[in-house]
Amino acid sequence: GENVEQHPSTLSVQEGDSAVIKCTYSDSASNYFPWYKQELGKGPQLIIDIRSNVGEKKDQRIAVTLNKTAKHFSLHITETQPEDSAVYFCAASFDSGGGADGLTFGKGTHLIIQP
Amino acid sequence: DTGVSQDPRHKITKRGQNVTFRCDPISEHNRLYWYRQTLGQGPEFLTYFQNEAQLEKSRLLSDRFSAERPKGSFSTLEIQRTEQGDSAMYLCASSLPLSGRGTEAFFGQGTRLTVV
Repeated sequence: GENVEQHPSTLSVQEGDSAVIKCTYSDSASNYFPWYKQELGKGPQLIIDIRSNVGEKKDQRIAVTLNKTAKHFSLHITETQPEDSAVYFCAASFDSGGGADGLTFGKGTHLIIQP
Repeated sequence: DTGVSQDPRHKITKRGQNVTFRCDPISEHNRLYWYRQTLGQGPEFLTYFQNEAQLEKSRLLSDRFSAERPKGSFSTLEIQRTEQGDSAMYLCASSLPLSGRGTEAFFGQGTRLTVV
């Protein structure tokens, strides 16, 4: 089955700086890679996703890159703000076009934005 | 629409008892997923439904666990003869897959189970 590794487990950055979180996956059949943000006491919330037919996707301060050959993908957050503090999860799945199978998540990165 | 709703939010039970959780997906979402999340870990996939059909079950879903979605709308997850190791947050998610596009799964706030 799929295995997703995520690093680092904790990341502390100064407000305004950039943050990068990296993930690797094992199953070359995986083609859907979402990133979720989870705040204390809440369920995960999708912040951005990428499919294997593109190498990069950007949405305002958030971007994701994907290297299919190396089986790794990364989340980039620029101009970090205090409200970015949360736990971030990467995930991988296979989507046949009719919907994704169950997601395999990484263990999470606790992002701390220092004022 | 208020999003994915899970009930109860918290459940404390004694070891050996049976518990049942309910998930109401976003209206018209035909896929419904169950995950389990323990402290400091990412969610772990348990099972998912497309309409009323259960399409995939993780090996984590032991024979003490059963999930149903009888009418293709709400779903229930039952754990029989609970063990302390079952203590976790149980998350439900739903999605409406669109062919050729990424699939966003919307998560509920979860049911936190504590087995004492």
